[in-house]
Amino acid sequence: QVQLLESGPGLVKPSQTLSLTCTVSGDSITSGSYFWSWIRQHPGKGLEWIGYNNGRTHYNPSLKSRVSILVDTTKNQFSLNLKSVSAADTAIYFCARGSDSWSGFGGVPFDLWGQGTLVTVSS
Amino acid sequence: EIVLTQSPGTLSLSPGERATLSCRASQGVSGDYLAWYQQKPGQTPRLLIYGASSRAPGIPDRFSGSGSGTDFTLTISRLEPEDFSVYYCQQYGSSPLTFGGGTKVEIK
Repeated sequence: QVQLLESGPGLVKPSQTLSLTCTVSGDSITSGSYFWSWIRQHPGKGLEWIGYNNGRTHYNPSLKSRVSILVDTTKNQFSLNLKSVSAADTAIYFCARGSDSWSGFGGVPFDLWGQGTLVTVSS
Repeated sequence: EIVLTQSPGTLSLSPGERATLSCRASQGVSGDYLAWYQQKPGQTPRLLIYGASSRAPGIPDRFSGSGSGTDFTLTISRLEPEDFSVYYCQQYGSSPLTFGGGTKVEIK
């Protein structure tokens, strides 16, 4: 059974870089054609797509200048880096997987999610 | 960017009743690439429907999706106690991917 697990600091200072890692267990990150993604949810609010990496990266334009998503096949992980954070970046961050089999013109639906990790931006 | 508006914000129903949730897009969703998720408090979203009407593996057949273009519907034919939750729609027909604001289905 494939599982995703986020890890990283729960507290980041304003202007610094938020760095999270998603570890894929139960299968190789290179098996199949998947969109490895990050999505966030502000406390008590809806969901916001951050971006994905499926061999190529694609980011939400609202975050594009600050975000990068990398895949490390040697560690079976993918990561999120978000630069110059502010309080507005405080949220629960989910890593997620979408299958190329179900892809649309813009991306994919997400059939597998990590448990989520709360990141608070505060001094 | 496609804005998805879900209605109603809250739906108060009793177990056994039928739930009808709406998701309206600010412009047509290409390919009708629309998905629905269920999210319970403190849990991760669970994919229910993709491609507007295809059930994800393991999803009970009381959940069904319909619609095209700008108007989509999630129907739960007979509410079970575990169905009381928040539901989100998501479009993946164009970038950026966007989600609706959610509909909460609560016990009346």
